[in-house]
Amino acid sequence: ETGVTQSPTHLIKTRGQQVTLRCSSQSGHNTVSWYQQALGQGPQFIFQYYREEENGRGNFPPRFSGLQFPNYSSELNVNALELDDSALYLCASSLAPEETQYFGPGTRLLVL
Amino acid sequence: QKEVEQNSGPLSVPEGAIASLNCTYSDRGSQSFFWYRQYSGKSPELIMFIYSNGDKEDGRFTAQLNKASQYVSLLIRDSQPSDSATYLCAVNKGGSQGNLIFGKGTKLSVKP
Repeated sequence: ETGVTQSPTHLIKTRGQQVTLRCSSQSGHNTVSWYQQALGQGPQFIFQYYREEENGRGNFPPRFSGLQFPNYSSELNVNALELDDSALYLCASSLAPEETQYFGPGTRLLVL
Repeated sequence: QKEVEQNSGPLSVPEGAIASLNCTYSDRGSQSFFWYRQYSGKSPELIMFIYSNGDKEDGRFTAQLNKASQYVSLLIRDSQPSDSATYLCAVNKGGSQGNLIFGKGTKLSVKP
């Protein structure tokens, strides 16, 4: 167990809807990174939050947005869901942006 | 050329044998290198990280890094059926951002 938690574990949405995924970082970690993992692929970096500020973003459209709270927990919001957004969404926390990342259990999202 | 490349496998080895997993990366400025294990339906679990050229051993696992050849490998000695999983190689380019770039993973099967 890494101490990183995510909710919900599973989610089913329909195309066009909006979704919010949540992540609680490991105690003492101030950095949270979000990844999308499609079936059979490696995780793809969405963005990273460090001390409540976005600290880097991957090649994802603006309908993917995030937030980090003062307790360093984080949210990932996805608007106007598309079928291709179906994936495992992973949150990872670390002591600092460049430090080793530890993953939570993930949220599996299915868009119908 | 993909940034991080791995042979997708499956790699099949008998129980007790050495499993050798390989990874190449394209950015010569990459700073740190990670191996994660991912069981089917689960999230990635950190096995090892390596920053410097050479070998790093941890129990049955040895990571090897050759920055000149842009190559990192993971050796698993005395392979067990419980080692059967997908192994993900990840690279951190360094700097103030800590986004990991993952390969697609190599599926390892250890036969009893």
